Amino acid sequence: SQQGEEDPQALSIQEGENATMNCSYKTSINNLQWYRQNSGRGLVHLILIRSNEREKHSGRLRVTLDTSKKSSSLLITASRAADTASYFCAPRNTGNQFYFGTGTSLTVIP
Amino acid sequence: DAGVIQSPRHEVTEMGQEVTLRCKPISGHDYLFWYRQTMMRGLELLIYFNNNVPIDDSGMPEDRFSAKMPNASFSTLKIQPSEPRDSAVYFCASSLSGSGGEQYFGPGTRLTVT
Repeated sequence: SQQGEEDPQALSIQEGENATMNCSYKTSINNLQWYRQNSGRGLVHLILIRSNEREKHSGRLRVTLDTSKKSSSLLITASRAADTASYFCAPRNTGNQFYFGTGTSLTVIP
Repeated sequence: DAGVIQSPRHEVTEMGQEVTLRCKPISGHDYLFWYRQTMMRGLELLIYFNNNVPIDDSGMPEDRFSAKMPNASFSTLKIQPSEPRDSAVYFCASSLSGSGGEQYFGPGTRLTVT
């Protein structure tokens, strides 16, 4: 399968805590992207990490990529109730299509 | 920019009827994608276009589904005849080649077939 697979499927934390989500994939990639989906909305692009990068930051987001293990992680620091959403990883191979996984459902409890 | 625009936002129809979903991509984007999302199957890529040409339609479930992109600013996804199992949220997304492939999603069309 070309799709990313997120782990865990569901995560519930208290506001202020950090949230970590993992993604595994099976093919070689050019880059890997993370998206967020709020309930009833379309997906929103969060961050892109290229295959030659190991770590990238954007605000409270930190993404790591280990191409030898074909895995990535998304860390959200100091979580807020507004971070409650589903998070999807999207490994991009040499083509231009993505095959999204089933996502991690994050609930941040105020 | 207004972002990706989809219409209608909600569609309720009876089994056997024809359904047409519409999408306007972000101006200047040369890729357009149609996805379907259900609880059971997650987010599935149905078809995507590059410069108005269908590139990969292997995700289209059956011949009842068809998609067109007559110009750079408009695409349709048609289901004829519709069935209850087609009930889902259908998303359109667009992207710009050379940008790393970030996709911009529309708000989706929630389709209910009774």
